[in-house]
Amino acid sequence: NAGVTQTPKFRILKIGQSMTLQCTQDMNHNYMYWYRQDPGMGLKLIYYSVGAGITDKGEVPNGYNVSRSTTEDFPLRLELAAPSQTSVYFCASSRPMTSGGGYNEQFFGPGTRLTVL
Amino acid sequence: DAKTTQPPSMDCAEGRAANLPCNHSTISGNEYVYWYRQIHSQGPQYIIHGLKNNETNEMASLIITEDRKSSTLILPHATLRDTAVYYCIVSAVQGAQKLVFGQGTRLTINP
Repeated sequence: NAGVTQTPKFRILKIGQSMTLQCTQDMNHNYMYWYRQDPGMGLKLIYYSVGAGITDKGEVPNGYNVSRSTTEDFPLRLELAAPSQTSVYFCASSRPMTSGGGYNEQFFGPGTRLTVL
Repeated sequence: DAKTTQPPSMDCAEGRAANLPCNHSTISGNEYVYWYRQIHSQGPQYIIHGLKNNETNEMASLIITEDRKSSTLILPHATLRDTAVYYCIVSAVQGAQKLVFGQGTRLTINP
């Protein structure tokens, strides 16, 4: 299994441009997540999905959109890029809760490093 | 979700046990303690989690105090590859798991 893959690895955008960050997982996980990480900080949740067709906002959703048409894919869309969106973006996936309680681990992709100038 | 407090940095000698503390004094009864780590700029990696009993797996041990207000992650024989930022996260079991990452502890393993 490739796990969680993200494309592109790096991208430079101009202010006002749009782009889609791709995320794919091959583990048949129901749950998928998008986080962003600013320099020297912890990750912050942008959006998440509990299954195809179901998405919800996280802590910092403004400026982003998501869709989940298949179990495998969870793309993140930036419509009007702003310098404040310069960050590293991580996608993650997980199975639902364990039968014994608690959540299953989240598997993270390698990240997309985005710079908006 | 309850907040956690971790020291910003720690050092440990290679081959010794690394003990990383975490304070979560406002933890609720239905919240689990999770540990993840992030090596350099890679995606975070799950280490271990627990509710109230001590837990051990192939990577680490997790010791949770009886009142559950603090915990310690133990890497029994630290290697240079364990140099990373370690995040202690408290998470309630409800719907999808929305991890809240603080700034973590930057652990440096010295040769």
